[in-house]
Amino acid sequence: DTGVSQNPRHKITKRGQNVTFRCDPISEHNRLYWYRQTLGQGPEFLTYFQNEAQLEKSRLLSDRFSAERPKGSFSTLEIQRTEQGDSAMYLCASSLLRSGRGLNTGELFFGEGSRLTVL
Amino acid sequence: AQSVSQHNHHVILSEAASLELGCNYSYGGTVNLFWYVQYPGQHLQLLLKYFSGDPLVKGIKGFEAEFIKSKFSFNLRKPSVQWSDTAEYFCALDTDKLIFGTGTRLQVFP
Repeated sequence: DTGVSQNPRHKITKRGQNVTFRCDPISEHNRLYWYRQTLGQGPEFLTYFQNEAQLEKSRLLSDRFSAERPKGSFSTLEIQRTEQGDSAMYLCASSLLRSGRGLNTGELFFGEGSRLTVL
Repeated sequence: AQSVSQHNHHVILSEAASLELGCNYSYGGTVNLFWYVQYPGQHLQLLLKYFSGDPLVKGIKGFEAEFIKSKFSFNLRKPSVQWSDTAEYFCALDTDKLIFGTGTRLQVFP
């Protein structure tokens, strides 16, 4: 148990519907990341937060995707008007940003993922 | 451009064979590198990490990796693999978020 919880674990939806995924990070972690993974590929960066601030959103990400982390704790990832190409595993990870010997992201702790299937 | 390349897409070995998985990166900043592993049906978990200092990094389960700055490489090694090492292995570069390679699928047969 990594401590990062994602819900739902599986979601099947019809094309055009909206879906929302939730991520609960490890409680003391200030960084939260969303990635997408398809079969045979590595995790693809989507967006990340430091506390409640969204620091970056991938330029490859459609405007149909939006993410929030309203109180710097849990986060939601919403996909509007889903398309078949959105079918993937959506991964959430959290970390504790470290400083000292150079700023670095630190170890990312991943959740089990939320699998989306768009019919 | 920031990128990570893993050239070995699928590796098949017998138990007790030695393993080396390639990882090359492209990045102009301070280099922090990771290897993550994903066992079948499980979440990604950290194998080892390099932040600075000794370029030879030891991780869990007998894995190690060597950072060679001149070659922009961070190859993963294990002297003798086990069937339980069957998994997907991902190299990642820290650019204030992690950029992952496409992964290497390792199959170990008894």
